[in-house]
Formats: sequence, C-alpha cells, structure tokens
Amino acid sequence: GAGVSQTPSNKVTEKGKYVELRCDPISGHTALYWYRQSLGQGPEFLIYFQGTGAADDSGLPNDRFFAVRPEGSVSTLKIQRTERGDSAVYLCASSSIAGANTGELFFGEGSRLTVL
Amino acid sequence: QQQVKQSPQSLIVQKGGISIINCAYENTAFDYFPWYQQFPGKGPALLIAIRPDVSEKKEGRFTISFNKSAKQFSLHIMDSQPGDSATYFCAASIGGGSEKLVFGKGTKLTVNP
Repeated sequence: GAGVSQTPSNKVTEKGKYVELRCDPISGHTALYWYRQSLGQGPEFLIYFQGTGAADDSGLPNDRFFAVRPEGSVSTLKIQRTERGDSAVYLCASSSIAGANTGELFFGEGSRLTVL
Repeated sequence: QQQVKQSPQSLIVQKGGISIINCAYENTAFDYFPWYQQFPGKGPALLIAIRPDVSEKKEGRFTISFNKSAKQFSLHIMDSQPGDSATYFCAASIGGGSEKLVFGKGTKLTVNP
C-alpha cells in the first residue's frame, strides 16, 4: 500500500482485557511513531522507533503499554489490563530520515479503541 | 503542563476570507514548528512547517508567521475555501525533526460557502 496502514480500525474491548494494535509503515521508512489522540485533543506522543529499537519511549503512560518492531517494519502496540481511560484513537506514523533530522510524519487513519 | 497553547478552539470564516490560528510555546529549546491538518476519520497530514531561522514561510494560500522573541507562531489561510474545513494542529519539537512532536489542542475551522 502507499500509505501507513493500521489494523484494526475499530476495537471494542472490556476493562481488564489485553489488546494489540498493528501498524504497517510506508515501505522504506525507518522511523515509526505511536501517538494517542483523545476526543477533542491533539495527538500525544507515546513512542518512537528508529529501526528495530525504541529510540524514545518516554510517552508511554505506564507499564501496561508496550510496543515492538522486531524486524524494523511492522509495529505492534500492546496494552495489558485495559482501563476505560485508555479509550482513544491510537495513531501510527512513519517518516524517512533526511540528514540529521526525521522528516514529515505520515499518519495512518488510526485504531479507535473503546474500553467498556 | 500544556507546552503548546493553541487558539481559538473553533473558527468560522466565510469563503474567501482569511483564517488565522495562533500558537504559543514556553520551551525555548523547540526548533521545529509544523502545522498539521486533520479531516474527520483521517490521520493528521503535514501542511507546512517552519524553523526559527526565518520569520515567515509561505506555501500557496498557507503562511506561517513566526515570532521568536514572543514565542508565538501562527497559521494564515488566505482565500479560505469550504474544502479547508478541518481541524488544524500546531506542533513543536526539539532537534529540528519530527522525533517527538508536542501538539496543540487543535482548532476546528469551518469555512462557509
């Protein structure tokens, strides 16, 4: 595909359940990001991967949240023991590297998580 | 603590008018300031960005004005069109790239025909 692909587009789960959200970045983009967007708010940074490693995970709210990118392409955001406050749209983005800086972020359409 | 403050929360403009959205920041280490446009059900998309070595950048109908001393920057949309109706987010980061963007809360723009 030409853009960033995220699955599922919608996920409804019950409090306490485990959830996985998947992101397929644009081919060739080495940088991958996860953001969370609550209703009426701007995206909030969660984690940034450069290749396979998490370059910055300072935005993960607590240890229930974890993300992996084992082969440097697809990434999975994992949320354990979900809480109602985790309900949000989880956005994935990717970018290429231009010199010393990462370039424009290309966002997917997001995975809307609803925790009942 | 909100690091990037955006105003107004919503804006209604007539077709052909000028839309102006403002952002202010506190952290003087920020050195990259992009604006993103988001349509309902879609992810944000980069509209235009500026670095603090220039005071203004123009791309088509979109202009960023940057005031380093006031720690403010704004987006101007000239000749606003109904197709511009969307939510606009300002953002800022440290290091000159997109590694860890801090977003404002957004401005919902409605352009009436």
